[in-house]
Parts: sequence; structure tokens; C-alpha cells
Amino acid sequence: DAGITQSPRHKVTETGTPVTLRCHQTENHRYMYWYRQDPGHGLRLIHYSYGVKDTDKGEVSDGYSVSRSKTEDFLLTLESATSSQTSVYFCAISANQGPSPLHFGNGTRLTVT
Amino acid sequence: DAKTTQPPSMDCAEGRAANLPCNHSTISGNEYVYWYRQIHSQGPQYIIHGLKNNETNEMASLIITEDRKSSTLILPHATLRDTAVYYCIVRVEGGATNKLIFGTGTLLAVQP
Repeated sequence: DAGITQSPRHKVTETGTPVTLRCHQTENHRYMYWYRQDPGHGLRLIHYSYGVKDTDKGEVSDGYSVSRSKTEDFLLTLESATSSQTSVYFCAISANQGPSPLHFGNGTRLTVT
Repeated sequence: DAKTTQPPSMDCAEGRAANLPCNHSTISGNEYVYWYRQIHSQGPQYIIHGLKNNETNEMASLIITEDRKSSTLILPHATLRDTAVYYCIVRVEGGATNKLIFGTGTLLAVQP
């Protein structure tokens, strides 16, 4: 696997609490992505980053924010978790804007009760 | 954005070639076709990608039709460990990223 570590791997939290998921890479890749995966919807892009402090929204960004203060770390924050954000979250990285493939981490399973 | 169409499921006998089809009739001339697979509870795994020519690597072969409206992923000798959901994806151009838009994929079941 590409050097991608997601933490935590599993988390249960209550509605209304803030949650931060971390993606750490050791590949020095410029691009990083957060996806969520839900039954019937496949993988959907939440936010992505094209460099340190450079981020943009994906197709399902409402309720999420991200930060990237270092090349190796990309944080996804749920400011006030809701039950609809119960999902499996995947981080991905890619080297450049060309046809370089994305490589995915093994995911974080988040349950909001 | 170019969309892809895949059959929801397929079966394949162990040791035989698995041929997974994908239609992408609205693909643009500079859009790549990517294939990923996802084994239960793991992150998607990159398999192969191509633009116009057929491609082969240690995992699979990718055959793209001349008009680029469809492609086939070939696993030459399927094993039980190849049982997974396979995604055919067209790379979205534009913006500052090569973000991928996933569909619902094909569940390949390799039978012993």
C-alpha cells in the first residue's frame, strides 16, 4: 500500500459533537482527497487539496471542513456531527495533476449516534 | 462529466479470465479511463488506466475500443482473492485536481 495512514480507524460519537479525522501520507504527494462511502451512493468526494493551505470543495462538502498545514497531513472536520454523516471515510493521494492514479487509505468508520 | 455504465454483478470461475465491461459513450478525447477495485472493508485499489491504447500491467489488461466509447478490464487468471467490486471511472478534467467520480461498480464473484 502507498504510505497512507488514516486515524482513527473506528469512531463512535454523539450528535452535535465535533469530530476530526486525520490522513497522514509519507509519499510527499501534492494532492490529497477525502471521500465518503455509503451504500447505494458509492464513493463521493467531500473536499480535496492541491497543496499546503490550498483546498476546494467536492460534491458533498456541506457540514465538512478541511485543513492542510503540512504536505503530509490532511484533516477532515465535522464541526457538529449529524447521523447523516455516519459513513466510511477514505483519504486518497496523488502525485500530480496529470493522469497519476489516486491511492487510497484503508478508511475510517464513523458512527454518529 | 463523462459517466460510466457497468453491469452490477458478474461471476467467473477460478483460473479463468474475467472480462469486465464498461461503457463510457460520452467520454472526451483527453479523458482517461481508470479501473479500481475494492475488497470488502478496504480502500479502493488502483489497477490500471489508459487513454487510447491497450494497456497491460502485472495485475490486468485494459482494452479500449477504437471509438473509446467502451472498455474491458481483463484479469487473465482469476483467483478467489479477486472477488471484489470493480469500478470503471473516467477522469474528470478541469480545475486543479484529477479528482475521480466513482459509480456503483461491478461485483465480481470468483467461484471455486
